[in-house]
Amino acid sequence: DTGVSQDPRHKITKRGQNVTFRCDPISEHNRLYWYRQTLGQGPEFLTYFQNEAQLEKSRLLSDRFSAERPKGSFSTLEIQRTEQGDSAMYLCASSPWGGDTEAFFGQGTRLTVV
Amino acid sequence: GENVEQHPSTLSVQEGDSAVIKCTYSDSASNYFPWYKQELGKRPQLIIDIRSNVGEKKDQRIAVTLNKTAKHFSLHITETQPEDSAVYFCAASDFGNEKLTFGTGTRLTIIP
Repeated sequence: DTGVSQDPRHKITKRGQNVTFRCDPISEHNRLYWYRQTLGQGPEFLTYFQNEAQLEKSRLLSDRFSAERPKGSFSTLEIQRTEQGDSAMYLCASSPWGGDTEAFFGQGTRLTVV
Repeated sequence: GENVEQHPSTLSVQEGDSAVIKCTYSDSASNYFPWYKQELGKRPQLIIDIRSNVGEKKDQRIAVTLNKTAKHFSLHITETQPEDSAVYFCAASDFGNEKLTFGTGTRLTIIP
């Protein structure tokens, strides 16, 4: 499968624990995006990278959230001290150079905080 | 920032009839408008997109129209089939802004 892949697909964690998700974009894509999707809503932008540089972060991304893309390839999204409100689907997407090109989404990581 | 509104939230259509989903956006700088289809438990997938230099684009049974003056764009699906049942999201972005702002989605159900 040469699409965007995310790991894990599902994560159940206790409130207060830290979690880390991984995204592997399509190999030739420079842009990598993280979105969050809650039930019945459209994806909400969290942050994006151009190669290894994190160029924008949403106000939704509190200090408990951090994202990295150290070598401009895969990316990780870490949530520290998880809260029940963090329960959502976390979607990763990648696109070729340029903001007006198709973004290809991964299957997402569904996080449940209990 | 950009705000995208989408209507209706649910839509039921008899198989073979047409479906229309409408979106409005607020940022006049937006110039890229994709539509994504998301089936239950699956990733969003692009079905069609349009850029601001074009008023209409068609791909087989799917078409999108854009009215930049009124800041709205619509998805038209003709001759609907059961496999068209899904949630559809509109989105908007501009070249300098990069990120997509999505609507809240329309759950389309095709009645056999």
